[in-house]
Amino acid sequence: TQLLEQSPQFLSIQEGENLTVYCNSSSVFSSLQWYRQEPGEGPVLLVTVVTGGEVKKLKRLTFQFGDARKDSSLHITAAQTGDTGLYLCAGLGGTSYGKLTFGQGTILTVHP
Amino acid sequence: DSGVTQTPKHLITATGQRVTLRCSPRSGDLSVYWYQQSLDQGLQFLIQYYNGEERAKGNILERFSAQQFPDLHSELNLSSLELGDSALYFCASSGFQTSGGVRDTQYFGPGTRLTVL
Repeated sequence: TQLLEQSPQFLSIQEGENLTVYCNSSSVFSSLQWYRQEPGEGPVLLVTVVTGGEVKKLKRLTFQFGDARKDSSLHITAAQTGDTGLYLCAGLGGTSYGKLTFGQGTILTVHP
Repeated sequence: DSGVTQTPKHLITATGQRVTLRCSPRSGDLSVYWYQQSLDQGLQFLIQYYNGEERAKGNILERFSAQQFPDLHSELNLSSLELGDSALYFCASSGFQTSGGVRDTQYFGPGTRLTVL
């Protein structure tokens, strides 16, 4: 069974601070995705990383895929209140073709 | 708006009952996935259909079943409901079967919140 350990589970910070969310597994994934989910809505895809060591930037968000394709991180610079939400990492492929294996999620709260 | 629609948005029922959740994928998408999201288990993959055929199975209980129809919409049937089945049920769709790559991007619907009393 493939598992994704996501940490921290909860993160409460002030506007303007930086933060990093981690996603770790003992399994190799062919790609890893990060989603953001707001209350009452479905997860929305932020980014997909495919190549080991890959770094992708989306405005103030930086995503990194580990060299061995087993772990990933999401770094947010100068957090804003609009960044508040549930962040989920999800692994695709590997030994479980076709299904997304999700981490438990990180609930981020950014205070003004 | 992801283009995936789910009905109903909310469903309240009693233990022992049976319900059907409906999902319409994005136009042109052949794959439909069902997920269950609860506070203690997080987001769990249940089952995938591709062009009418079951392709992958996850942690789906025997009391649950799904199907995909010729028009590609899908239904998830939950029977003999228990209190623990209360959760958000999401449907997602993608354009490709299973390659494990970027092309498999899944687009999620808004979900159906099921409450079993």
